[in-house]
Amino acid sequence: DGGITQSPKYLFRKEGQNVTLSCEQNLNHDAMYWYRQDPGQGLRLIYYSQIVNDFQKGDIAEGYSVSREKKESFPLTVTSAQKNPTAFYLCASSLRGHRYFGPGTRLTVL
Amino acid sequence: GQQVMQIPQYQHVQEGEDFTTYCNSSTTLSNIQWYKQRPGGHPVFLIQLVKSGEVKKQKRLTFQFGEAKKNSSLHITATQTTDVGTYFCAGMSSDTGFQKLVFGTGTRLLVSP
Repeated sequence: DGGITQSPKYLFRKEGQNVTLSCEQNLNHDAMYWYRQDPGQGLRLIYYSQIVNDFQKGDIAEGYSVSREKKESFPLTVTSAQKNPTAFYLCASSLRGHRYFGPGTRLTVL
Repeated sequence: GQQVMQIPQYQHVQEGEDFTTYCNSSTTLSNIQWYKQRPGGHPVFLIQLVKSGEVKKQKRLTFQFGEAKKNSSLHITATQTTDVGTYFCAGMSSDTGFQKLVFGTGTRLLVSP
């Protein structure tokens, strides 16, 4: 059953702690993306990777970091430098341009 | 930078009424995509429009791409409660050399039975 998995679904962290969100895909897609969604807003691009061992900053990369060591995996680390990390985080991959989204991780920083 | 605006932000209709959401880009697009996000869920791809003036239909949904490739619309005929969710347009531009997809702010649709 092909798709994108994100874990965990809900994540709570204390302020000042780094946290890593998992994203795995078995669709054999080269490109992967991380988006952030805040209430009443559209999706904003954090980072993207078009190929293994290469990634680029999106529109709101400050306070985030990623790695792409394997085609299937694109983890996102939310660092303590991110001023307002509480949000819904969506991972996606793409084929022919349109995005396949994972179920998302809702991060709450207390 | 490129901006994609959507109106209205929110619409509440009675089941059976029609619904339309409009999408406008500040720049010319290579294509436009539409996604639906159910409450508590993730966006799901609906359709992609590429040609100027293109119109595509999916059952009760009609999608249109403007002649200038800067605007688009989604029209739902005779809404049903299953249509509830937020509809996003997303415009793709090749200006940067990377196929960047910019999402609109979304239109939240609520359908009362």
